[in-house]
Amino acid sequence: AQSVTQPDIHITVSEGASLELRCNYSYGATPYLFWYVQSPGQGLQLLLKYFSGDTLVQGIKGFEAEFKRSQSSFNLRKPSVHWSDAAEYFCAVGAQGTSYGKLTFGQGTILTVHP
Amino acid sequence: DTGVSQNPRHKITKRGQNVTFRCDPISEHNRLYWYRQTLGQGPEFLTYFQNEAQLEKSRLLSDRFSAERPKGSFSTLEIQRTEQGDSAMYLCASSLEYANTEAFFGQGTRLTVV
Repeated sequence: AQSVTQPDIHITVSEGASLELRCNYSYGATPYLFWYVQSPGQGLQLLLKYFSGDTLVQGIKGFEAEFKRSQSSFNLRKPSVHWSDAAEYFCAVGAQGTSYGKLTFGQGTILTVHP
Repeated sequence: DTGVSQNPRHKITKRGQNVTFRCDPISEHNRLYWYRQTLGQGPEFLTYFQNEAQLEKSRLLSDRFSAERPKGSFSTLEIQRTEQGDSAMYLCASSLEYANTEAFFGQGTRLTVV
């Protein structure tokens, strides 16, 4: 069975600083990988996804993520954080051959942005 | 289309009561998913439909839970004899069935059992 680990429960950065959120997955084959963002009391918004091809994927709001098969990682990055990026971020994995909406999520990383 | 719509947004109920939530997916999406998210955790998959057929159910979906999608459009999730442990955010998502497409989530229904 697949699993996702987000090692950092809470990260605090200053506005304008760079950001990296870590995600490690466990899956026996090539996974489908996603990053979602959730504001308090809201649903999930897709930031970016990886299905195949180029291992560096670009998403919305200036985010990017890199798939590293050798490290089973899919870390999310942003070069300069804005106060509006404060939210909770979830990494998720989907299995090949199944519905792309059936996902296993990590525990989430709460991002706080200081002015 | 305004996206995936869930109603109600919030529900407070007494323990032992039955509750029902509704999800309206994006109109052209034939797959619909239900997730549960408890405080401080990521969403957990409960079940999904393709059109009106319920194709998979998680072990999390106890016999007190039932989901339907009678006409392949909107879906309902009913919880019978609610328990305090059922307090959570219930999220609905929808997608197309084709390869390399993602699921779009609704804003969720927050259930509080008192």
